[in-house]
Amino acid sequence: DAGVIQSPRHEVTEMGQEVTLRCKPISGHDYLFWYRQTMMRGLELLIYFNNNVPIDDSGMPEDRFSAKMPNASFSTLKIQPSEPRDSAVYFCASSVGPSYNEQFFGPGTRLTVL
Amino acid sequence: GENVEQHPSTLSVQEGDSAVIKCTYSDSASNYFPWYKQELGKRPQLIIDIRSNVGEKKDQRIAVTLNKTAKHFSLHITETQPEDSAVYFCAARVLTGGSQGNLIFGKGTKLSVKP
Repeated sequence: DAGVIQSPRHEVTEMGQEVTLRCKPISGHDYLFWYRQTMMRGLELLIYFNNNVPIDDSGMPEDRFSAKMPNASFSTLKIQPSEPRDSAVYFCASSVGPSYNEQFFGPGTRLTVL
Repeated sequence: GENVEQHPSTLSVQEGDSAVIKCTYSDSASNYFPWYKQELGKRPQLIIDIRSNVGEKKDQRIAVTLNKTAKHFSLHITETQPEDSAVYFCAARVLTGGSQGNLIFGKGTKLSVKP
């Protein structure tokens, strides 16, 4: 099993540009989580899906952020327009069952917004 | 909102010594407490977890203890080795305050093991 796959691994963009981060969860996992990690705020949950349905998006910072999961093997996190304060490492994680089972993290996408 | 406090933020020990990291949580209904290890530039990985129906769990050199009354839990690493150097995150599954079972993470502890 390849584990959780994220792309791109690094993204450098200019303020105002649209950014799309991609995630492929582990096959058979029915929960998918998007996290953001910064030095100041640590690891924050942005949104999570169960069986492709968004369950809790209360962590999404503002309307500039949106996430979709069109099928069980693919999810996207989009930022439009991007701002320098969005610079962070974005992790996708998946699990079998809800959050009291192990979450397997992807390698992360390091986003830099200039 | 619900919160997980983690201390210390940095910890330096000599190889072979023990290391203890402590976390407190605010949601008395929390029932699951995992610990993740994140090496520099890598992804967080689960190292041990404990559920609210037990007070202690061990796995070789690592152990976690849970005190539900005091709402705190701790990670213990014995006989530390240089490869234990990493950032450790505690987390608690939150069930109240509008949450639907999310994990709330502590801010992390950077452990350095000196050879």
